[in-house]
Amino acid sequence: AQTVTQSQPEMSVQEAETVTLSCTYDTSESDYYLFWYKQPPSRQMILVIRQEAYKQQNATENRFSVNFQKAAKSFSLKISDSQLGDAAMYFCAYRSAIRAGSYQLTFGKGTKLSVIP
Amino acid sequence: SAVISQKPSRDICQRGTSLTIQCQVDSQVTMMFWYRQQPGQSLTLIATANQGSEATYESGFVIDKFPISRPNLTFSTLTVSNMSPEDSSIYLCSARTGGNTEAFFGQGTRLTVV
Repeated sequence: AQTVTQSQPEMSVQEAETVTLSCTYDTSESDYYLFWYKQPPSRQMILVIRQEAYKQQNATENRFSVNFQKAAKSFSLKISDSQLGDAAMYFCAYRSAIRAGSYQLTFGKGTKLSVIP
Repeated sequence: SAVISQKPSRDICQRGTSLTIQCQVDSQVTMMFWYRQQPGQSLTLIATANQGSEATYESGFVIDKFPISRPNLTFSTLTVSNMSPEDSSIYLCSARTGGNTEAFFGQGTRLTVV
Protein backbone atom coordinates (compact mmCIF):
# COMPACT_ATOMS: atom_id res chain seq x y z
CA ALA A 1 0.00 0.00 0.00
CA GLN A 2 1.10 3.54 -0.65
CA THR A 3 1.88 5.90 2.18
CA VAL A 4 2.40 9.64 2.23
CA THR A 5 4.40 11.31 4.98
CA GLN A 6 4.46 14.98 5.88
CA SER A 7 6.99 15.42 8.65
CA GLN A 8 6.19 19.03 9.48
CA PRO A 9 2.94 19.35 11.46
CA GLU A 10 3.27 23.14 11.52
CA MET A 11 5.26 25.77 9.67
CA SER A 12 5.29 29.53 9.70
CA VAL A 13 6.55 32.08 7.22
CA GLN A 14 6.86 35.83 7.14
CA GLU A 15 4.67 37.56 4.60
CA ALA A 16 6.47 37.97 1.25
CA GLU A 17 9.05 35.32 2.16
CA THR A 18 9.45 31.82 0.77
CA VAL A 19 8.58 28.59 2.53
CA THR A 20 9.01 24.93 1.58
CA LEU A 21 6.73 22.16 2.77
CA SER A 22 8.07 18.62 2.72
CA CYS A 23 6.41 15.43 1.55
CA THR A 24 7.77 11.94 1.04
CA TYR A 25 5.90 8.92 -0.21
CA ASP A 26 6.37 5.22 -0.51
CA THR A 27 5.23 3.24 -3.52
CA SER A 28 6.34 0.37 -5.69
CA GLU A 29 4.51 1.75 -8.71
CA SER A 30 6.29 3.46 -11.54
CA ASP A 31 3.50 5.71 -12.71
CA TYR A 32 1.42 7.90 -10.46
CA TYR A 33 0.28 11.42 -9.74
CA LEU A 34 1.18 13.66 -6.84
CA PHE A 35 -0.84 16.60 -5.62
CA TRP A 36 -0.75 19.39 -3.12
CA TYR A 37 -4.13 20.45 -1.76
CA LYS A 38 -4.84 23.46 0.41
CA GLN A 39 -7.57 23.43 3.06
CA PRO A 40 -8.34 26.85 4.55
CA PRO A 41 -10.63 27.22 7.58
CA SER A 42 -13.60 27.11 5.21
CA ARG A 43 -12.80 23.37 4.85
CA GLN A 44 -12.86 23.50 1.04
CA MET A 45 -10.08 21.36 -0.38
CA ILE A 46 -8.44 23.32 -3.15
CA LEU A 47 -5.97 21.86 -5.61
CA VAL A 48 -2.73 23.83 -5.55
CA ILE A 49 -0.55 21.91 -7.95
CA ARG A 50 -0.11 18.48 -9.47
CA GLN A 51 2.80 16.48 -10.84
CA GLU A 52 2.80 13.49 -13.16
CA ALA A 53 5.50 11.03 -12.18
CA TYR A 54 6.55 10.41 -15.77
CA LYS A 55 7.41 14.08 -16.23
CA GLN A 56 10.89 15.11 -15.17
CA GLN A 57 10.10 18.79 -15.24
CA ASN A 58 8.88 20.21 -11.95
CA ALA A 59 5.37 21.64 -12.01
CA THR A 60 4.90 25.36 -11.47
CA GLU A 61 1.72 27.31 -10.86
CA ASN A 62 2.29 31.02 -10.33
CA ARG A 63 3.87 31.38 -6.85
CA PHE A 64 3.73 27.64 -6.21
CA SER A 65 6.31 25.18 -7.44
CA VAL A 66 7.37 21.68 -6.56
CA ASN A 67 10.67 19.91 -6.25
CA PHE A 68 9.94 16.39 -7.43
CA GLN A 69 12.69 13.87 -6.78
CA LYS A 70 11.37 10.55 -8.06
CA ALA A 71 14.32 8.42 -6.97
CA ALA A 72 14.17 9.84 -3.48
CA LYS A 73 10.34 9.72 -3.49
CA SER A 74 10.22 13.30 -2.39
CA PHE A 75 7.69 15.94 -3.42
CA SER A 76 8.13 19.30 -1.70
CA LEU A 77 6.06 22.43 -2.25
CA LYS A 78 7.65 25.85 -2.43
CA ILE A 79 5.52 28.92 -1.89
CA SER A 80 7.16 32.15 -2.98
CA ASP A 81 6.14 35.67 -1.94
CA SER A 82 3.87 34.25 0.75
CA GLN A 83 0.56 36.00 1.26
CA LEU A 84 -1.82 36.06 4.20
CA GLY A 85 -4.30 34.08 2.13
CA ASP A 86 -1.83 31.22 1.91
CA ALA A 87 -2.43 30.38 5.57
CA ALA A 88 -4.10 26.96 5.60
CA MET A 89 -3.56 23.24 6.04
CA TYR A 90 -1.61 21.78 3.16
CA PHE A 91 -2.01 18.14 2.24
CA CYS A 92 0.23 16.12 0.00
CA ALA A 93 -1.59 13.34 -1.87
CA TYR A 94 -0.80 10.37 -4.08
CA ARG A 95 -2.85 8.68 -6.75
CA SER A 96 -1.98 5.61 -8.75
CA ALA A 97 -1.92 5.86 -12.53
CA ILE A 98 -1.58 2.12 -13.01
CA ARG A 99 -4.15 0.22 -11.01
CA ALA A 100 -7.37 0.02 -12.97
CA GLY A 101 -10.21 1.81 -11.24
CA SER A 102 -7.96 3.08 -8.50
CA TYR A 103 -8.62 6.78 -8.54
CA GLN A 104 -8.79 7.49 -4.85
CA LEU A 105 -6.24 9.72 -3.18
CA THR A 106 -3.94 8.78 -0.33
CA PHE A 107 -3.25 11.81 1.84
CA GLY A 108 -0.50 12.79 4.21
CA LYS A 109 -1.36 14.11 7.67
CA GLY A 110 -1.01 17.70 6.60
CA THR A 111 1.09 20.74 7.45
CA LYS A 112 -0.49 23.77 9.03
CA LEU A 113 1.02 26.89 7.51
CA SER A 114 0.80 30.21 9.29
CA VAL A 115 1.71 33.48 7.56
CA ILE A 116 3.01 36.23 9.80
CA PRO A 117 2.22 39.80 8.72
CA SER B 1 -13.20 21.44 -13.42
CA ALA B 2 -16.32 20.66 -11.41
CA VAL B 3 -18.23 22.54 -8.75
CA ILE B 4 -19.44 20.38 -5.90
CA SER B 5 -22.18 21.44 -3.50
CA GLN B 6 -22.50 19.58 -0.24
CA LYS B 7 -25.35 19.81 2.23
CA PRO B 8 -25.64 20.33 5.12
CA SER B 9 -22.49 22.30 5.82
CA ARG B 10 -22.73 21.42 9.49
CA ASP B 11 -25.04 19.66 11.91
CA ILE B 12 -25.27 18.67 15.53
CA CYS B 13 -26.99 15.34 16.04
CA GLN B 14 -28.08 13.17 18.91
CA ARG B 15 -26.39 9.83 19.36
CA GLY B 16 -28.31 6.93 17.92
CA THR B 17 -29.78 8.97 15.08
CA SER B 18 -28.77 9.07 11.41
CA LEU B 19 -27.74 11.90 9.11
CA THR B 20 -27.78 11.93 5.32
CA ILE B 21 -25.28 14.15 3.54
CA GLN B 22 -25.98 15.20 -0.03
CA CYS B 23 -23.43 15.87 -2.72
CA GLN B 24 -24.38 17.56 -6.00
CA VAL B 25 -21.96 18.06 -8.89
CA ASP B 26 -22.56 20.61 -11.64
CA SER B 27 -21.48 18.16 -14.36
CA GLN B 28 -21.60 14.44 -14.98
CA VAL B 29 -18.76 12.65 -13.26
CA THR B 30 -17.57 9.10 -13.51
CA MET B 31 -16.52 8.56 -9.93
CA MET B 32 -17.48 10.05 -6.61
CA PHE B 33 -15.72 9.53 -3.31
CA TRP B 34 -16.59 10.04 0.32
CA TYR B 35 -13.85 10.91 2.81
CA ARG B 36 -13.82 11.34 6.57
CA GLN B 37 -11.55 13.84 8.28
CA GLN B 38 -11.44 13.36 12.02
CA PRO B 39 -10.48 16.37 14.15
CA GLY B 40 -6.93 17.46 13.41
CA GLN B 41 -6.36 14.49 11.12
CA SER B 42 -5.93 13.80 7.45
CA LEU B 43 -8.57 12.54 5.05
CA THR B 44 -9.46 8.87 5.03
CA LEU B 45 -11.41 7.35 2.17
CA ILE B 46 -14.70 5.78 3.23
CA ALA B 47 -15.92 4.51 -0.12
CA THR B 48 -16.03 5.00 -3.85
CA ALA B 49 -19.46 5.47 -5.39
CA ASN B 50 -20.06 4.52 -9.00
CA GLN B 51 -23.37 5.09 -10.72
CA GLY B 52 -25.33 1.92 -11.26
CA SER B 53 -23.34 -0.29 -8.92
CA GLU B 54 -22.75 -0.85 -5.23
CA ALA B 55 -20.30 1.41 -3.53
CA THR B 56 -16.86 0.01 -2.79
CA TYR B 57 -15.90 0.41 0.85
CA GLU B 58 -12.44 0.72 2.30
CA SER B 59 -11.18 -1.40 5.14
CA GLY B 60 -12.79 -0.38 8.39
CA PHE B 61 -15.96 1.02 6.82
CA VAL B 62 -19.13 -0.98 6.27
CA ILE B 63 -22.30 -0.41 4.32
CA ASP B 64 -24.58 -0.80 7.34
CA LYS B 65 -22.87 2.11 9.04
CA PHE B 66 -22.27 4.29 5.96
CA PRO B 67 -24.86 3.48 3.29
CA ILE B 68 -24.24 5.33 0.05
CA SER B 69 -26.51 6.05 -2.88
CA ARG B 70 -25.49 7.10 -6.39
CA PRO B 71 -28.71 7.41 -8.38
CA ASN B 72 -27.20 9.32 -11.29
CA LEU B 73 -23.99 10.85 -12.62
CA THR B 74 -24.32 14.12 -10.72
CA PHE B 75 -25.55 13.15 -7.26
CA SER B 76 -24.64 11.00 -4.28
CA THR B 77 -25.59 10.70 -0.64
CA LEU B 78 -23.76 9.34 2.38
CA THR B 79 -25.70 8.36 5.47
CA VAL B 80 -24.00 8.12 8.84
CA SER B 81 -26.15 5.64 10.76
CA ASN B 82 -26.69 5.06 14.45
CA MET B 83 -24.27 7.83 15.28
CA SER B 84 -21.98 7.95 18.28
CA PRO B 85 -19.64 10.76 19.42
CA GLU B 86 -16.79 8.95 17.64
CA ASP B 87 -18.50 9.79 14.34
CA SER B 88 -17.89 13.49 14.94
CA SER B 89 -15.84 14.47 11.92
CA ILE B 90 -15.81 16.42 8.72
CA TYR B 91 -17.21 14.40 5.83
CA LEU B 92 -16.10 15.42 2.36
CA CYS B 93 -17.48 14.51 -1.01
CA SER B 94 -15.11 14.36 -3.96
CA ALA B 95 -15.54 13.76 -7.66
CA ARG B 96 -13.37 13.07 -10.63
CA THR B 97 -14.34 13.92 -14.18
CA GLY B 98 -13.22 11.68 -16.96
CA GLY B 99 -10.73 14.05 -18.47
CA ASN B 100 -9.01 15.17 -15.30
CA THR B 101 -6.35 13.57 -13.19
CA GLU B 102 -7.23 15.61 -10.13
CA ALA B 103 -10.23 15.30 -7.88
CA PHE B 104 -12.50 18.14 -6.84
CA PHE B 105 -14.01 18.51 -3.42
CA GLY B 106 -17.12 19.82 -1.79
CA GLN B 107 -16.85 22.17 1.15
CA GLY B 108 -17.42 19.39 3.64
CA THR B 109 -19.99 18.66 6.33
CA ARG B 110 -18.94 19.22 9.91
CA LEU B 111 -20.80 16.67 12.02
CA THR B 112 -20.94 16.83 15.80
CA VAL B 113 -22.60 13.99 17.68
CA VAL B 114 -23.71 14.70 21.23
